Amino acid sequence: AQSVTQLGSHVSVSEGALVLLRCNYSSSVPPYLFWYVQYPNQGLQLLLKYTTGATLVKGINGFEAEFKKSETSFHLTKPSAHMSDAAEYFCAVSRNAGKSTFGDGTTLTVKP
Amino acid sequence: GAVVSQHPSRVICKSGTSVKIECRSLDFQATTMFWYRQFPKKSLMLMATSNEGSKATYEQGVEKDKFLINHASLTLSTLTVTSAHPEDSSFYICSARDSAGQGSEQYFGPGTRLTVT
Repeated sequence: AQSVTQLGSHVSVSEGALVLLRCNYSSSVPPYLFWYVQYPNQGLQLLLKYTTGATLVKGINGFEAEFKKSETSFHLTKPSAHMSDAAEYFCAVSRNAGKSTFGDGTTLTVKP
Repeated sequence: GAVVSQHPSRVICKSGTSVKIECRSLDFQATTMFWYRQFPKKSLMLMATSNEGSKATYEQGVEKDKFLINHASLTLSTLTVTSAHPEDSSFYICSARDSAGQGSEQYFGPGTRLTVT
């Protein structure tokens, strides 16, 4: 079985501030981990993914995430928030090429 | 990059009618596609896994006879909501996995907003 927990359903930061969105997972096998962003009434866009190899993963739009096996975490960060980063963010886990399980999502608000 | 389209983007139908939603992989072949349902302010709930040339695999609690899935080609999967009711109103999203790729990534469609009146 696999599951994802996103801590904090709402995160609010000021423009230019650090963004930290938390994700913890459980998986009985080495996981594949993903972060997606969703804008209103749109589908999901992949920000970044971890499968194997380097544990620090860089994605699009300046986001990055670090896979920490000992903490079963895959937190998403961005050094400086931009207004355009305001959206819904989903963490997901899958096993190999199997179906993905999504977290409940975190709404990111960026204040001017 | 890989593109997945959905049609229609939004649809309004009357209670009791059926609605078909198409999911197409535009520049790659997809042996496997997934159908999700998303309620307002909620996460994605996997409904079923669509396999080309075989029956779909439904998640527990999803009615097979109500949500008919057909994956007749490597680039097209359809979801038909039969005898729709207002509680079926939702945002439906499909995703597709590139058969020729590494297999770890799903490409998502833009979603279909279904409103049943």
